[in-house]
Amino acid sequence: EDQVTQSPEALRLQEGESSSLNCSYTVSGLRGLFWYRQDPGKGPEFLFTLYSAGEEKEKERLKATLTKKESFLHITAPKPEDSATYLCAVKGYSSASKIIFGSGTRLSIRP
Amino acid sequence: ETGVTQTPRHLVMGMTNKKSLKCEQHLGHNAMYWYKQSAKKPLELMFVYSLEERVENNSVPSRFSPECPNSSHLFLHLHTLQPEDSALYLCASSQGGGPTDTQYFGPGTRLTVL
Repeated sequence: EDQVTQSPEALRLQEGESSSLNCSYTVSGLRGLFWYRQDPGKGPEFLFTLYSAGEEKEKERLKATLTKKESFLHITAPKPEDSATYLCAVKGYSSASKIIFGSGTRLSIRP
Repeated sequence: ETGVTQTPRHLVMGMTNKKSLKCEQHLGHNAMYWYKQSAKKPLELMFVYSLEERVENNSVPSRFSPECPNSSHLFLHLHTLQPEDSALYLCASSQGGGPTDTQYFGPGTRLTVL
């Protein structure tokens, strides 16, 4: 059964303090791994899609990496506006349309 | 309008009411989804429509009834709901079968069942 586990559940950082969020997954043939950002009371906002181990993608202060078992979302010198819940999701070849989401990491950046 | 829109943004209903949630996508996609997001739980996929045909129904109670009249519009009809159905209901769309197949979400409808 496809599974996604995100850690930590919550993370509080000082502005400028870099860190990483973890997404561990189990899937029968990875079709894609997705990262989303979600602000309170809003829908998830797409950040990245990764397809194969070794792939990396960057956007502003965020960088996503992928191995065969996990993905990391690295946040470099974060700002208070980076505070949000970050969701990881995977899609395997075993299902044509279903994406499995993790529970998310709630990130808080203090000024 | 751009992206995925949802109306209403907030809805309060009694257990005996009938209401509908509406979703519209302006991205030219051919697949649409309904998700439920409850506090402290992962997003739960409810229904998937691809080319206006329902392709997935994840054991959702019959008090939730989806409708997809065309590839741009998706409805979720609600009747005789329970308080535990209170949640954020999210609509998403994607270009199904494409190389990325990334889902883009709407802002959600916050539903409260009294």
